[in-house]
Amino acid sequence: GAGVSQSPSNKVTEKGKDVELRCDPISGHTALYWYRQSLGQGLEFLIYFQGNSAPDKSGLPSDRFSAERTGGSVSTLTIQRTQQEDSAVYLCASSLESTYEQYFGPGTRLTVT
Amino acid sequence: GIQVEQSPPDLILQEGANSTLRCNFSDSVNNLQWFHQNPWGQLINLFYIPSGTKQNGRLSATTVATERYSLLYISSSQTTDSGVYFCAVERLFRDSNYQLIWGAGTKLIIKP
Repeated sequence: GAGVSQSPSNKVTEKGKDVELRCDPISGHTALYWYRQSLGQGLEFLIYFQGNSAPDKSGLPSDRFSAERTGGSVSTLTIQRTQQEDSAVYLCASSLESTYEQYFGPGTRLTVT
Repeated sequence: GIQVEQSPPDLILQEGANSTLRCNFSDSVNNLQWFHQNPWGQLINLFYIPSGTKQNGRLSATTVATERYSLLYISSSQTTDSGVYFCAVERLFRDSNYQLIWGAGTKLIIKP
């Protein structure tokens, strides 16, 4: 079956611009996660959605970052007024429920120039 | 918070060799996952293993929850095994929400 998909695969933007990253989770998965991975580093948790509950935003690094999940499916991560330190690979994962295995998308490589 | 430590940080082996990767964690966890991130960045689930031993082909994993560690074994390694292996432990964050806490990874290079 279809896995987690993300778009775009690559995004180059100028400092100060806003960007939107999209994640399509596996159909039927109620939990959705966003992570960030800087070059050569481990994964940094950003935000977590579970069903219709309020999202866990505890990992968002600043108020320039926001995310929404429409209809319990597709999610969009928005970064406003991008900074060079925002450059990273942004990974999305989904799981059947919050305590189940997470499956990852291919990621979006964001480069802020 | 929970600390997750992986060792070794880097490992270079010849094709055909066996290897053992270790993951230590500092507190009780609900679950543990091993992932392989290939050189193209794709993260693949290897094992979902709160305790005991599981095997999948040339790979196997053992988690000893009471002693707070997990081991990933790779036998007869192949060049396609190269990449970074991550251990991530699951903890209850608040109410019924669970988070994965990630180790820094072990970078494995298999030489032909």
